[in-house]
Amino acid sequence: AAGVIQSPRHLIKEKRETATLKCYPIPRHDTVYWYQQGPGQDPQFLISFYEKMQSDKGSIPDRFSAQQFSDYHSELNMSSLELGDSALYFCASNVGTGSNSPLHFGNGTRLTVT
Amino acid sequence: GQQVMQIPQYQHVQEGEDFTTYCNSSTTLSNIQWYKQRPGGHPVFLIQLVKSGEVKKQKRLTFQFGEAKKNSSLHITATQTTDVGTYFCAQGGSEKLVFGKGTKLTVNP
Repeated sequence: AAGVIQSPRHLIKEKRETATLKCYPIPRHDTVYWYQQGPGQDPQFLISFYEKMQSDKGSIPDRFSAQQFSDYHSELNMSSLELGDSALYFCASNVGTGSNSPLHFGNGTRLTVT
Repeated sequence: GQQVMQIPQYQHVQEGEDFTTYCNSSTTLSNIQWYKQRPGGHPVFLIQLVKSGEVKKQKRLTFQFGEAKKNSSLHITATQTTDVGTYFCAQGGSEKLVFGKGTKLTVNP
């Protein structure tokens, strides 16, 4: 079965650079979520989209922005990167608005900021 | 924001021993979901509990939802080395899924 696809798997950037993470949800899934996970931490919700509109916003820095496109894929844009942005970034998808149905996670993008 | 409290943070067991992790909330939960994350992996959905007092089983895993829908537990019988990982409960029912801190399980063979 098709899963959530994230790219790239690994990304190394320097401070103050920008990064773009991509997420392709499972076909027919209309909701996408972005989570950030630091080492040994639980996933922290950043932002979500339902039918290409932002549905909720969590602890996402103003330096980050995201959108969902007409084909339902999503991109997380990160600017002015800081050392503290180093983390695993997961995208997840499900059907329908909200977390009443299980989330399917991608393999994540490991971002290292040096 | 509201987050379910999960204990213990770490649990180390000998292979064959049982394991339990607990989640508690100060408010009534619409639903609670459980995920497993293997080292270096991504969270994988295990189960969703919706009804008061619900009990669900998956082989050696037993999931319970409290009568008041404020707490939940995951019990693993006779752990195996393949059970290692971090088990997260997560509060569902809103626009986002909110994870507990997780319980990291290690199993000594």
